[in-house]
Amino acid sequence: GAVVSQHPSRVICKSGTSVKIECRSLDFQATTMFWYRQFPKKSLMLMATSNEGSKATYEQGVEKDKFLINHASLTLSTLTVTSAHPEDSSFYICSATDSKNYGYTFGSGTRLTVV
Amino acid sequence: QQQVKQSPQSLIVQKGGISIINCAYENTAFDYFPWYQQFPGKGPALLIAIRPDVSEKKEGRFTISFNKSAKQFSLHIMDSQPGDSATYFCAASTGSGTYKYIFGTGTRLKVLA
Repeated sequence: GAVVSQHPSRVICKSGTSVKIECRSLDFQATTMFWYRQFPKKSLMLMATSNEGSKATYEQGVEKDKFLINHASLTLSTLTVTSAHPEDSSFYICSATDSKNYGYTFGSGTRLTVV
Repeated sequence: QQQVKQSPQSLIVQKGGISIINCAYENTAFDYFPWYQQFPGKGPALLIAIRPDVSEKKEGRFTISFNKSAKQFSLHIMDSQPGDSATYFCAASTGSGTYKYIFGTGTRLKVLA
């Protein structure tokens, strides 16, 4: 089955620094990847959709300059949280699809804590 | 119209019982309805999914019932086990599931031993 690997699983960073989260499709070509944010005991909030080779499409209210998304290849997308602040602490999850088969696969998530 | 309403918010079931979670949608363009299971600190994992051309789909102890006219679908977990204790999300999508998902608010299921 389709596998999506997300790293790191946990990261703690100091306020003002930047953090990069990687999302890789291991056994398929991910034409589209999605980035979600999830608050404790809440649903998944879509942040942005990225298609390989083009700029990401951000959902309303998501700061594109704070959450930089790069989808440079068919197997890798990255989310960089720039100038992180404590309010950016959250669980970030990516998912990917090859746009041919039904549904898409989620990564295991990254717990970001900004201190 | 893009919302997917999920209920109940939380559910407690005895071991061996049936867990039922319901979702309702408005957008008739949705054509793919997956259910995801999420354990704490993990990403969601696909449990089962259905398309609107069938009214029911069963995989092991998990069954989706789909009512197109009512725009509702539900997840039934038969013979619920403590290991099923997790948060369950329904979702809806267009493009046969390749377009972005609209998620329900989630149901926290606890199965008592």
